[in-house]
Amino acid sequence: DTGVSQDPRHKITKRGQNVTFRCDPISEHNRLYWYRQTLGQGPEFLTYFQNEAQLEKSRLLSDRFSAERPKGSFSTLEIQRTEQGDSAMYLCASSLAGEGNTIYFGEGSWLTVV
Amino acid sequence: AQSVTQLDSQVPVFEEAPVELRCNYSSSVSVYLFWYVQYPNQGLQLLLKYLSGSTLVKGINGFEAEFNKSQTSFHLRKPSVHISDTAEYFCAVTRDYNQGGKLIFGQGTELSVKP
Repeated sequence: DTGVSQDPRHKITKRGQNVTFRCDPISEHNRLYWYRQTLGQGPEFLTYFQNEAQLEKSRLLSDRFSAERPKGSFSTLEIQRTEQGDSAMYLCASSLAGEGNTIYFGEGSWLTVV
Repeated sequence: AQSVTQLDSQVPVFEEAPVELRCNYSSSVSVYLFWYVQYPNQGLQLLLKYLSGSTLVKGINGFEAEFNKSQTSFHLRKPSVHISDTAEYFCAVTRDYNQGGKLIFGQGTELSVKP
């Protein structure tokens, strides 16, 4: 068990470009979450999946953001037409559904939009 | 809606001294409470969690926290800190674990342990 894996760890992109982040959860986990964290702030919930179904999306997830989990395993988070305000760390987390189960976080993907 | 307030943004402390990181939450329903630690350029690691039962919860690395329902608090404590405890600490709450379990985080407390 290697934990939650995120790729790439760092991405610098020009404003207006599209970027995609990948998350591989812990293998038996059926829930997968995306959070965003800006400097000096706590993580903010973006969206979560149970298996391949996207069950909730935050209002923070504008129409430029799309997340998928096509086979209920890995997930991708795509940001289209990036803006400087998108600069943040994007954290992926996973868990087993059910009370008391711990949510495990990956090490995050840093995005810098220049 | 739930919210979390971490009352101190920075806590400097000397090595081997005790420390308390304060967390208050607001919710009209029962909640589950968590403390996570984040080392520089890393993700979050769970320190401890309160789901039910004993209000004193023990976690990893010698940390403990006490759930106080009447004061809506969940303060984190350690009797003697080490340099290696220097990190950002986040308190988090979730309302309904079985309906998604999404976490609402506080803004974090930066613990700085000095020799």
